[in-house]
Amino acid sequence: GAGVSQSPSNKVTEKGKDVELRCDPISGHTALYWYRQSLGQGLEFLIYFQGNSAPDKSGLPSDRFSAERTGGSVSTLTIQRTQQEDSAVYLCASSLAISGNYGYTFGSGTRLTVV
Amino acid sequence: QQQVKQSPQSLIVQKGGISIINCAYENTAFDYFPWYQQFPGKGPALLIAIRPDVSEKKEGRFTISFNKSAKQFSLHIMDSQPGDSATYFCAAGGGADGLTFGKGTHLIIQP
Repeated sequence: GAGVSQSPSNKVTEKGKDVELRCDPISGHTALYWYRQSLGQGLEFLIYFQGNSAPDKSGLPSDRFSAERTGGSVSTLTIQRTQQEDSAVYLCASSLAISGNYGYTFGSGTRLTVV
Repeated sequence: QQQVKQSPQSLIVQKGGISIINCAYENTAFDYFPWYQQFPGKGPALLIAIRPDVSEKKEGRFTISFNKSAKQFSLHIMDSQPGDSATYFCAAGGGADGLTFGKGTHLIIQP
């Protein structure tokens, strides 16, 4: 597509429920990134994919968080047993390659509220 | 080694003034320095970027100044307008790693 698409744009869930966030990157972009942004805060790096592979999962906050990417395209970020501290905007970005020489294109994010 | 330090955390500038945001990096392998602009409810968007072979890049009212020896770069917004009010992130990258972002600057332009 023309840009990075994220869905849903907003998600309200009850504490303890599982949620799945989706990211559809720009066609042809091999690198995909997930970030978390709490209200008024900076960008907290979660995980990146080069193709379908995630070489470094150390940014995921806990083992309740997981992510996968299939077909070198769509990625899903899953949060199990959600907690109130998981409330944040989850941003996805993609770039032509993992190299830091390429700019990122961000989606508009999914605003997750855990009640 | 991977940090990018951004300052100030917040900035208030009068309409028509110059907004200046500064960043410093440590990794000398970085060779790409973009700035991102984020409006509320939106993801960050690439604003302007520079590579270390030049000391300055200007696009309209936005200028990046780059000091390789000091490992610093800054964003200048000339004739700042209320529509420039946003959060600005600097970043640095190069080689096999992705971008490292600063913590952001909340800029408010007062009418």
